[in-house]
Amino acid sequence: SQKIEQNSEALNIQEGKTATLTCNYTNYSPAYLQWYRQDPGRGPVFLLLIRENEKEKRKERLKVTFDTTLKQSLFHITASQPADSATYLCALGDNDMRFGAGTRLTVKP
Amino acid sequence: NAGVMQNPRHLVRRRGQEARLRCSPMKGHSHVYWYRQLPEEGLKFMVYLQKENIIDESGMPKERFSAEFPKEGPSILRIQQVVRGDSAAYFCASSEDRHQETQYFGPGTRLLVL
Repeated sequence: SQKIEQNSEALNIQEGKTATLTCNYTNYSPAYLQWYRQDPGRGPVFLLLIRENEKEKRKERLKVTFDTTLKQSLFHITASQPADSATYLCALGDNDMRFGAGTRLTVKP
Repeated sequence: NAGVMQNPRHLVRRRGQEARLRCSPMKGHSHVYWYRQLPEEGLKFMVYLQKENIIDESGMPKERFSAEFPKEGPSILRIQQVVRGDSAAYFCASSEDRHQETQYFGPGTRLLVL
């Protein structure tokens, strides 16, 4: 069955460091992969989309990689700030879209 | 341009009652998706609708749940005879085209069944 796994339920890092979140999937061949941010009590907010033929994408302090051989995406936040604290969801898309359970990131000042 | 709107934001129902959740997509969007999120779990796809049509309801429970997106007015997710296990946050998202890239989410409706 299709499975999407995001690394460890919670990730705590120090302000200024780079946060790296992983998204692994099995039995799936997505055409694209997206990352969303979700704050408590709110809906997810779209951050980045990367297609199957792209290796890497950047947007300001965010960087996403997509390795279709490893079936993995890495999501990096450089120079992290306490305001980056949130839950980050990966979503795989093809004819439909499926979400991972999310990783809760806490950036400590 | 207003974002996706959902109401009510919070809904309390007793077991056996009906819950109606409403979603108004972003202006210009004709594709609507409903998701359910249980505490500490990811978003689970429920149903995808286009105006007046259900395109994919593979994530909808077979009984008690229904969805519609009429020509005029918001999309409605209806849960009949609610049970405690229906307590969750229900999110609606909309997109401009069929291929579901970049969905815009509403703030969600938090349903509590007593």
